[in-house]
Amino acid sequence: QSLLTQPPSTSGTPGQRVSMSCTGGSSNIGRNVVNWYQQLPGAAPKLLIFSDRQRPSGVSDRFSASKSDTSASLAISGLQSEDEADYYCAAWDDSLNVLLFGGGTKVTVL
Amino acid sequence: EVQLVESGGGVVQPGGSLRLSCAASGFPFRSYWMHWVRQVPGRGLAWVARIDGDGRKTNYADSVKGRVTISRDNAKGTVSLQMYSLSVDDSAIYYCVRVGLGWLAFDSWGQGTLVTVSS
Repeated sequence: QSLLTQPPSTSGTPGQRVSMSCTGGSSNIGRNVVNWYQQLPGAAPKLLIFSDRQRPSGVSDRFSASKSDTSASLAISGLQSEDEADYYCAAWDDSLNVLLFGGGTKVTVL
Repeated sequence: EVQLVESGGGVVQPGGSLRLSCAASGFPFRSYWMHWVRQVPGRGLAWVARIDGDGRKTNYADSVKGRVTISRDNAKGTVSLQMYSLSVDDSAIYYCVRVGLGWLAFDSWGQGTLVTVSS
């Protein structure tokens, strides 16, 4: 069981806005930045969001993220079929001295 | 262009050893922390280990601590993962990743190399 908890799945229709949470604790999300990754089927993960809310160059502004206390969230606006993927949050844990990944949220476009 | 190319995966018996390598190019290798992340096909991501640019600082996941050694050769631009006492639980795709943006943000990933531990 991961120490960063993500809902297993979420879904939406094209054009909708979907969001997903990443819940941690005071030693990880509460102290350190959260990064988000997108993994398309059959591909290696790709950095989607870094430092809680920053988008790397080339990432669509339809993706946004935020953080509050020990939880973070990722939102996708204007959902598109190519957004169908697994999404992972990650944060360093100061107590365990390890990097934690959430269990991942599978986004399905209906 | 940043490239990370893993090699060394394959089938190994329980209790065996394997050495994974990652050849990096397209960036000043010595300046970057490098990590290994693994993923059981169809499952989630799991962090394995990290090493600083000079190769002096390392950290390991509890699940591999004492059985795995991460190292790097800055002259060759390679980072390696030596794994011992392998069990079926170590079967996974192993990704070599670079920390490139922000703190601990993996901005570059290799294609992965598959390790299968089976008798």
